[in-house]
Amino acid sequence: EVQLLESGGGLVQPGGSLRLSCAASGFTFNTFAMSWVRQTPGKGLEWVSAISGSDGRAYYADSVKGRFTISRDNSKSTLSLQMNSLRAEDTALYYCARFLPCGGDCPFDYWGQGTLVTVS
Amino acid sequence: EIVLTQSPGTLSLSPGERATLSCRASQSVRSNLLAWYQQNPGQAPRLLIYGASSRATGIPDRFSGSGSGTDFTLTISRLEPEDFAVYYCQQYGNSPRTFGQGTKVEIK
Repeated sequence: EVQLLESGGGLVQPGGSLRLSCAASGFTFNTFAMSWVRQTPGKGLEWVSAISGSDGRAYYADSVKGRFTISRDNSKSTLSLQMNSLRAEDTALYYCARFLPCGGDCPFDYWGQGTLVTVS
Repeated sequence: EIVLTQSPGTLSLSPGERATLSCRASQSVRSNLLAWYQQNPGQAPRLLIYGASSRATGIPDRFSGSGSGTDFTLTISRLEPEDFAVYYCQQYGNSPRTFGQGTKVEIK
């Protein structure tokens, strides 16, 4: 069974840093691209960042580029998101999500339960 | 960035009725790479449809997707009690991937 378990959320002051982690199990982690997606009541769902499976190519939304860094440790089946220079507008529930292996551009087929980040 | 507009905002229906949800894109979605997700309160989104019309694994056939270009539709043929939830469309053919604001299907 595919499982994605996020951790690392919490309360942080503006300008501060936080590191989110996502522990993956139930699938061959290094063969799947992964992503972070956040959700707020006001802005809804927003794609944040993605990373390819094997070569670790990273992609970012303009809203977080230069402040957030996505990474993965395939030996530990773990996805991470280092968030620096946090702003109030980064407050959200952050989901770890797996890309459906559909070949090419694909949606997200599995999501974790999320970890809450509050910047205040 | 492609803006996805979902309508209606809320759909009030009874179990057994047909639900038709709309998702309109501000520009054509490349290769009709559009997905639909269902989200229940306190839970993560669940993938229902991808590629505009392909059902994800394990999704009942009462869920169907259609459309192309800028206009897409999710249809639930007969609403079951567990189908009352919020539904989001997402385009993943153009960067950045974007989501609609959601349609809530509530019990009438």
